[in-house]
Amino acid sequence: EVQLVESGGGLVQPGGSLRLSCAASGFTVSSNYMSWVRQAPGKGLEWVSVIYSGGSTYYADSVKGRFTISRDNSKNIVYLQMNSLRAEDTAVYYCARGYYDPTATQAFHFWGQGTMVTVSS
Amino acid sequence: QSALTQPPSASGSPGQSVTISCTGTSSDVGGYDYVSWYQHHPGKAPKLMIYEVSKRPSGVPDRFSGSKSGNTASLTVSGLQAEDEADYYCSSYAGSNNPYVFGSGTKVTVL
Repeated sequence: EVQLVESGGGLVQPGGSLRLSCAASGFTVSSNYMSWVRQAPGKGLEWVSVIYSGGSTYYADSVKGRFTISRDNSKNIVYLQMNSLRAEDTAVYYCARGYYDPTATQAFHFWGQGTMVTVSS
Repeated sequence: QSALTQPPSASGSPGQSVTISCTGTSSDVGGYDYVSWYQHHPGKAPKLMIYEVSKRPSGVPDRFSGSKSGNTASLTVSGLQAEDEADYYCSSYAGSNNPYVFGSGTKVTVL
């Protein structure tokens, strides 16, 4: 059974750092592309970052230079390191899986339940 | 990268159809056949309903269909059911530099 479990959210002060984890089961993260998508309170979904199977990474302009996506193939976990956090980064952060069929479908086929990040003093 | 434009709300009675539009530009919706649609019940994980404009993942009822014309994509829900009441978001691939953009979201109400 495919599962994605996010963790690591919490309350952090502006300028602080947080690392989110997305533990995957039922498939191999390195064979798929994995993304982080966030939803601020009362707002819509916003794509944040993606890591493709080959290791290429991309970021939304709003987080470029502050966030880093990575994965640990041995643990089947995807991470999102978030530095220099701002109030506007407050959101539920979802981990999502995309897959190749045989090329990337450019969609997010399975999502986790999300983890809340609150940036406030 | 600006969000794709969706109507804030749509509604229909049980059994009726509702269509949601998603308008972008030639750099995203119009430039690629990579439009996807997501159903999101608040507090739950979003669910993929349509990908590559009109493909349905396994398990998604055929009441859900997608299409695209120019820079505008559409999601149609036929035979509305109470459980279809949710927020719906479109998304499009937008090229390698800034790969993905989501729509502003549409709240579907079943009257």
